[in-house]
Amino acid sequence: QVQMQESGPGLVKPSETLSLTCTVSGDSINSYYWSWIRQPAGKGLEWIGRIYTSGSTNYNPSLKSRVTMSVDTSKKQFSLKLTSVTAADTAVYYCARNPGAFDYWGQGTLVTVSS
Amino acid sequence: QSVLTQPPSVSGAPGQRVTISCTGSSSNFGAGYDVHWYQQLPGTAPKLLFYVNNNRPSGVPDRFSGSKSGTSASLAITGLQAEDEADYYCQSYDSSLTGWVFGGGTKLTVL
Repeated sequence: QVQMQESGPGLVKPSETLSLTCTVSGDSINSYYWSWIRQPAGKGLEWIGRIYTSGSTNYNPSLKSRVTMSVDTSKKQFSLKLTSVTAADTAVYYCARNPGAFDYWGQGTLVTVSS
Repeated sequence: QSVLTQPPSVSGAPGQRVTISCTGSSSNFGAGYDVHWYQQLPGTAPKLLFYVNNNRPSGVPDRFSGSKSGTSASLAITGLQAEDEADYYCQSYDSSLTGWVFGGGTKLTVL
């Protein structure tokens, strides 16, 4: 059973960079796409982007200029960086495995952008 | 405004059947991309309910069924139970946006 756990600061100041890591356990990280998805309080889901274990990436065009993803297969981790954050980036951030559908999800981590 | 359109809410009494619609366009469902459905119980992460239109992961009751036709998809729940009260999201790929898109979500209330 695949398990995923997000980690990172829960509070980020406006204009700074949000950094999160997702650690995968229970299965290999190799040969899959891995995505980040976020959900503002009381709102719907927004796909942020995905990374393959080769390092190939696809980003949501609306966030592309601010997003960078990376993967460390030896640690079974992949990461998200979102620059120049504003209050609009406050949300629960989920990592998910993405072979097509999002079949396994982390529990989510709340990131609040505030000074 | 979401690329995939869902009703904000639906409701039904225990034992009844409800359906949740998901309307797309020629750049997602109409282009042949699959629909996937998720259930999000209050305070938890979304859970995959259906993948590739009508395939159910193990553990999902057969009271749930999915379908897709043209530029629309739907999720049906029969024998409604109190535990089904949750938010439901459809999801697909959109070739115009070159990315994965979700519906706005539908809140199911069991009366």
